[in-house]
Parts: sequence; structure tokens; C-alpha cells
Amino acid sequence: EPEVTQTPSHQVTQMGQEVILRCVPISNHLYFYWYRQILGQKVEFLVSFYNNEISEKSEIFDDQFSVERPDGSNFTLKIRSTKLEDSAMYFCASSAPGATLMADTQYFGPGTRLTVL
Amino acid sequence: GESVGLHLPTLSVQEGDNSIINCAYSNSASDYFIWYKQESGKGPQFIIDIRSNMDKRQGQRVTVLLNKTVKHLSLQIAATQPGDSAVYFCAENMRRGSQGNLIFGKGTKLSVKP
Repeated sequence: EPEVTQTPSHQVTQMGQEVILRCVPISNHLYFYWYRQILGQKVEFLVSFYNNEISEKSEIFDDQFSVERPDGSNFTLKIRSTKLEDSAMYFCASSAPGATLMADTQYFGPGTRLTVL
Repeated sequence: GESVGLHLPTLSVQEGDNSIINCAYSNSASDYFIWYKQESGKGPQFIIDIRSNMDKRQGQRVTVLLNKTVKHLSLQIAATQPGDSAVYFCAENMRRGSQGNLIFGKGTKLSVKP
């Protein structure tokens, strides 16, 4: 069964450093998303991406964040200058265009645990 | 602001019993609702979804009920098994007919006693 994959599974970085989190969405999907989950809290939307551009972003997704689809398979989230409060699980998700009644289903990857020291 | 929330933070059931997990939503414009299961250290796993023009949808051992009058969503798990132990999130999507971001509830932890 196709699945979303993410690397690394755990990233430890120093405050102020740049990190890049990587995702490989399901191959025939066209919509891509990043969410984050601070420990013990609910999953929060960061950004959605379609046709090589951001389609929607939340207040969390400020200028220190950026996303890119550098090739036909990868989807990345870059945090330019990490802060302590960026420590969280970061989930990538993807979904397909509307071929079925429930085409909005977003499938999530296993996540990257980011720890900022 | 409007949000999706959960009535019960924890639920403990005996193996073989049926489980019911509830969720309240406040945005009447929401068009699409999803239940996700999250096991420790893993990403949210899709369980079942439902559109606002439906009241009920059934899957394998799971049923989702939508009551738009009181803005309530529930997930019923039949014959609960130890492997069902996880945190369950409801989520809503307010975008009608297009892709949009999901708004998640806080989660309910389901514990299944053998």
C-alpha cells in the first residue's frame, strides 16, 4: 500500500540553526501539507502546497518557514533559524485530486521529531 | 474562534466491548470530517471520513455518525481490540469541493483492557 515517508525520523539541532525536513508524498498525489504537533497537544496545520506554490498557510507559518518541491518526488520544509518553541513532531501529508467522493482524504507520514536545544 | 473539540479526553473499555468516541464541532460551514488514529510515535492514520450531506458511514468495525443539528460527530468501534488502543482525533475541513487544511481536535485516548 502506498504511503507517505519522512526523513529523518529524529532531528536534533541547536537554536538558530537551519533544518530541512524531507517528505516523499504518495506518488499520484498532487496536494501536499505540513502539520506539526507539539508534545501532548493537537495537530496543527502549517501549510498546503499545490501546483508548485503555497495554497494556504497558517499564522504559525511565518517568514522563517519555507516549503519546496525540488523534484518530482520530494517535498521539503525548511526552518531557517530554529527556536526552542519549534520543537515538535512535524508531519507531512498528501492527498489526491477529486476522483472520488472522499477525495480530500489526507494521508500522513510517520513524522519527524525535531528537538531544538 | 471556532474549533473542533472532544468531549472525553480518555476512554477505557474492556476488550470485546463497543467503543464510542465523541467530538463536537462549532463551524457549521464544515463540509468534511475525518477520524484519525494515532499510535505512540506514529503519524495520524486515516480511519474513516464523512461528508456533511451524510448522516452515517460504515467501515470495517467502525461507524461514523454525523449530527449536523447539534454539530456532533462520533466514532463507534465494534468489538474493540487491544490493537485499537491509541489516541483518536476528529478533524474537520471547511473547504467545500477543494483541498483545504484540516482542523484537529485535541484527541481522546482509548485504552483497551484485555
